[in-house]
Amino acid sequence: KAGVTQTPRYLIKTRGQQVTLSCSPISGHRSVSWYQQTPGQGLQFLFEYFSETQRNKGNFPGRFSGRQFSNSRSEMNVSTLELGDSALYLCASSSRLAGSETQYFGPGTRLLVL
Amino acid sequence: AQKVTQAQTEISVVEKEDVTLDCVYETRDTTYYLFWYKQPPSGELVFLIRRNSFDEQNEISGRYSWNFQKSTSSFNFTITASQVVDSAVYFCALRTPTGTASKLTFGTGTRLQVTL
Repeated sequence: KAGVTQTPRYLIKTRGQQVTLSCSPISGHRSVSWYQQTPGQGLQFLFEYFSETQRNKGNFPGRFSGRQFSNSRSEMNVSTLELGDSALYLCASSSRLAGSETQYFGPGTRLLVL
Repeated sequence: AQKVTQAQTEISVVEKEDVTLDCVYETRDTTYYLFWYKQPPSGELVFLIRRNSFDEQNEISGRYSWNFQKSTSSFNFTITASQVVDSAVYFCALRTPTGTASKLTFGTGTRLQVTL
């Protein structure tokens, strides 16, 4: 099976712009979670989607949003970008709601905000 | 609240040495899951192992072994006869299922540098 794929892999934006990142889960996986990784804060949970519904949300401002499509692909959007949004954004999928399941991660999207 | 502590920020060893990465967790839940992930320079988090709170059996997989001790809330990871390819950042993570959704709480990671 193909792994989790994320596009684009690298992105450069300027402050105030918005960005959309995409994640395609492993075939058959219905849960998609997003994480932000920065040198200062480490790995932090953003949100989890299952069956097109957001099931859990981390402690991030409303500028961070996401959605999941009927084919389980997910997108996350960050509006009004700030310098502090520069990070590696990782997507993870699991076959069911995370719970006891193992989450498998994609290669990430490196976002640089100038 | 749940927490994962990886006190070792960085470890340097010479190839073929054994190395142990420490992980201590905190949770009030009786059911939980522990994970180890490896992050090479490419950035992708590679799954290594999952452990359930009700299964304290230690595990060995090739050069890798894991020691889970509920009494000390620790889930340590040992690499035997380390190799240069083991150089990466290693993360310990905890999940406590709540309702129908849950999230992974990660430690800060331990950077392992294996040199010739």
